[in-house]
Amino acid sequence: AQSVTQLGSHVSVSEGALVLLRCNYSSSVPPYLFWYVQYPNQGLQLLLKYTSAATLVKGINGFEAEFKKSETSFHLTKPSAHMSDAAEYFCAVSTSYNNNDMRFGAGTRLTVKP
Amino acid sequence: KAGVTQTPRYLIKTRGQQVTLSCSPISGHRSVSWYQQTPGQGLQFLFEYFSETQRNKGNFPGRFSGRQFSNSRSEMNVSTLELGDSALYLCASSSTGVEEGNTIYFGEGSWLTVV
Repeated sequence: AQSVTQLGSHVSVSEGALVLLRCNYSSSVPPYLFWYVQYPNQGLQLLLKYTSAATLVKGINGFEAEFKKSETSFHLTKPSAHMSDAAEYFCAVSTSYNNNDMRFGAGTRLTVKP
Repeated sequence: KAGVTQTPRYLIKTRGQQVTLSCSPISGHRSVSWYQQTPGQGLQFLFEYFSETQRNKGNFPGRFSGRQFSNSRSEMNVSTLELGDSALYLCASSSTGVEEGNTIYFGEGSWLTVV
């Protein structure tokens, strides 16, 4: 079965600094990979997804992620953090064509300091 | 177009009671999935329905059940509530399910507290 591991339950950066949230996956077949963001008291919003079209995926709000098969990683980055980026971020993996079997990581809470 | 709508947003139930949560998917979406989110276990997949049929199921006891109606709206039911069922229940919908890397859209969730 597929799974993801998010390294670091809490990440703190200063405003304007690089954001790096780590995600490693485990899958016996080529995976589909996703990053979602959750703001307090809200549902999950899709940031970006990898579906084998391109290894570098650009998402909303300036985020991007790179699929590295050799490292089984799909880390999320943003060059310059903004206060509004403070939220919880979830990495997810699916191996089915229609993604009806998504498995989520434990989440990483991002804090942005002024 | 309107997003995924979940009702009620907040509810409090007593141990032993049952609860029904409702989800209206995005118009045109035929797949509805349910997830449970707790601080201890994170996001866990409950089940997925497509065209009124349960297509996939997570590892939850039989007290958790669901159904989907012909208009794609879905309900999930939890019977004989336990304190550990206190959680945010998230519904997600996606389209026909034939698109590669099918995007799943989440509702804002229903907060269930069991006392």
